[in-house]
Amino acid sequence: DAGVTQSPTHLIKTRGQQVTLRCSPISGHKSVSWYQQVLGQGPQFIFQYYEKEERGRGNFPDRFSARQFPNYSSELNVNALLLGDSALYLCASSLSAAGTRNQPQHFGDGTRLSIL
Amino acid sequence: GIQVEQSPPDLILQEGANSTLRCNFSDSVNNLQWFHQNPWGQLINLFYIPSGTKQNGRLSATTVATERYSLLYISSSQTTDSGVYFCAQNTGGFKTIFGAGTRLFVKA
Repeated sequence: DAGVTQSPTHLIKTRGQQVTLRCSPISGHKSVSWYQQVLGQGPQFIFQYYEKEERGRGNFPDRFSARQFPNYSSELNVNALLLGDSALYLCASSLSAAGTRNQPQHFGDGTRLSIL
Repeated sequence: GIQVEQSPPDLILQEGANSTLRCNFSDSVNNLQWFHQNPWGQLINLFYIPSGTKQNGRLSATTVATERYSLLYISSSQTTDSGVYFCAQNTGGFKTIFGAGTRLFVKA
């Protein structure tokens, strides 16, 4: 079975632009979470979606938004890009809502976003 | 909010040596996971271990939920074990918190 897939793998944008990142969860998984990992740090939680509803949000500005589709895939959108948005963006899926017992998360390989 | 602290921050080992990585939590343990991030950035699941002990080859992990800590043991280390080891957990509030990681380098 395919794991969590993310696209694109790499992306270069300039300040002020907008970007959309995509994630397909493991088949049967209904929860998708997004993380930002800046170089040298651990992943920081951005959003969790379960059954197409936002279930959790980290400390990120409103420039960050996401949605989950009926097939449980998800998109992360970032508007008005800043240099500090340069990072590895990771997507994780789990069978049901992360935070529920016995729900390990499985991560994709990430999208490396560079802002010039 | 919950805090996850990992130690040591950096570790250099000679190939074949053993090591213990520690993860401390400020809140009750829920859905604790250990990950290995390889040099290419891939986060690999090692253990899902909210309590008890598990083993997988040369790796094993123990979580003592009542004392809010978890340990990851690496035995007979290999150069391919190099990378960053993260622990992560949440408290049922739909937010997952990662530690800052332990950076491991295994010398040949």
